[in-house]
Amino acid sequence: QVQLQESGPGLVKPSETLSLTCTVSGGSISPYYWNWIRQPPGKGLEWVGYIYYSGSTNYNPSLESRLTISVDTSKNQFSLKLSSVTAADTAMYYCARLVVTATGGAFDIWGQGTMVSVSS
Amino acid sequence: EIVLTQSPGSLSLSPGERATLSCRASQTVSSSYLAWYQQKPGQAPRLLIYGASSRATGIPDRFSGSGSGTDFTLTISRLEPEDFAVYYCQQYGSSPLFTFGPGTKVDIK
Repeated sequence: QVQLQESGPGLVKPSETLSLTCTVSGGSISPYYWNWIRQPPGKGLEWVGYIYYSGSTNYNPSLESRLTISVDTSKNQFSLKLSSVTAADTAMYYCARLVVTATGGAFDIWGQGTMVSVSS
Repeated sequence: EIVLTQSPGSLSLSPGERATLSCRASQTVSSSYLAWYQQKPGQAPRLLIYGASSRATGIPDRFSGSGSGTDFTLTISRLEPEDFAVYYCQQYGSSPLFTFGPGTKVDIK
């Protein structure tokens, strides 16, 4: 079955760029939408953005100016870059697959998450 | 932005009891794009319900979703020990494209 695995540094300094990669195994990266969702410690979920397998993107307006999501179909991976980070970006970052059908759309497969702390 | 409000914030129940969780939207949400997730401590969320009322693959039939417009409900007919968790509703279709409710924590009484 399809599995997702996040990877990247667990500690990023303020004002630097947070970079994460999600590897998709057990299935193809097409024809789905691939998402990043984050959760600050003890808080709720915030959708960060998605990339379609073809490369089109949609970002949360609150993060759009600092955010880039890219895809590498040859490696079955997609990545997140968030620039100029502050302590407010400290969170568990999840990658997730969005499935859209005639009867609905939802995040059906999630990675285990990776904790990223922003601190000097 | 569509804001989702969940009530109650927390719910204390015993195994075997019925749980009724509410999700209210600040604007009309297409029923096709309302989902529910379960999250246990230290785990990623798990999809329970999509399209307001369709169970995801492998989800027991004690979980059911209903509602339309701005009011949606997740019902757990008889709580099992593994059902004690936080439940989130989520909408798809308004900028930002996806938003989640703040969650309802169901704990053991």
